[in-house]
Amino acid sequence: DTAVSQTPKYLVTQMGNDKSIKCEQNLGHDTMYWYKQDSKKFLKIMFSYNNKELIINETVPNRFSPKSPDKAHLNLHINSLELGDSAVYFCASSQWASGSMKVEDTQYFGPGTRLTVL
Amino acid sequence: AQTVTQSQPEMSVQEAETVTLSCTYDTSESDYYLFWYKQPPSRQMILVIRQEAYKQQNATENRFSVNFQKAAKSFSLKISDSQLGDAAMYFCAYRETQGGSEKLVFGKGTKLTVNP
Repeated sequence: DTAVSQTPKYLVTQMGNDKSIKCEQNLGHDTMYWYKQDSKKFLKIMFSYNNKELIINETVPNRFSPKSPDKAHLNLHINSLELGDSAVYFCASSQWASGSMKVEDTQYFGPGTRLTVL
Repeated sequence: AQTVTQSQPEMSVQEAETVTLSCTYDTSESDYYLFWYKQPPSRQMILVIRQEAYKQQNATENRFSVNFQKAAKSFSLKISDSQLGDAAMYFCAYRETQGGSEKLVFGKGTKLTVNP
């Protein structure tokens, strides 16, 4: 009963290809995220979705297109892969605190997908 | 935008000893959340501890505790009775609110080695 799952865990592909990474959470959360961890282990937000609506887009190239078919899923599609896209991509989820209500809003991470572009 | 600084790229500790990892952050907010995440070689991001800024009491989770100094904007992690399984990258994170959602802003991490 994995809380946040990602597939695949490893992805090796050629430059110029298009690939997708899938993420699913069974925590009942309404917000999901994509983070990128570079070769120096630095983690940075890419996107967040709340109830299937894009909330944050951190100046990510438009070759990256997130899609949220429902609030339990957030997929990441990458077109025309480049060498610099090689990284570990993490999906995460949380329950968004709205208004003055404070709820458990810790972000829970998936296992990560290591993408290698050759 | 808020920034998070971890000034120790690497730290080492003897098994059963205590080690403290440093973290400072920059914010103009008065109410916010801070986190420590652990990333072992398996690369899974594991929540270690969470602190709410409006709570003056330092958070504690078993052998892990924080020293939260709000005025100094400091949030250090203390690991007591270190175990071999504590060896990992440790990331300090600040939860930033933006446009009706939140994101985590991470420090660059501290690699902790535990020596037997």
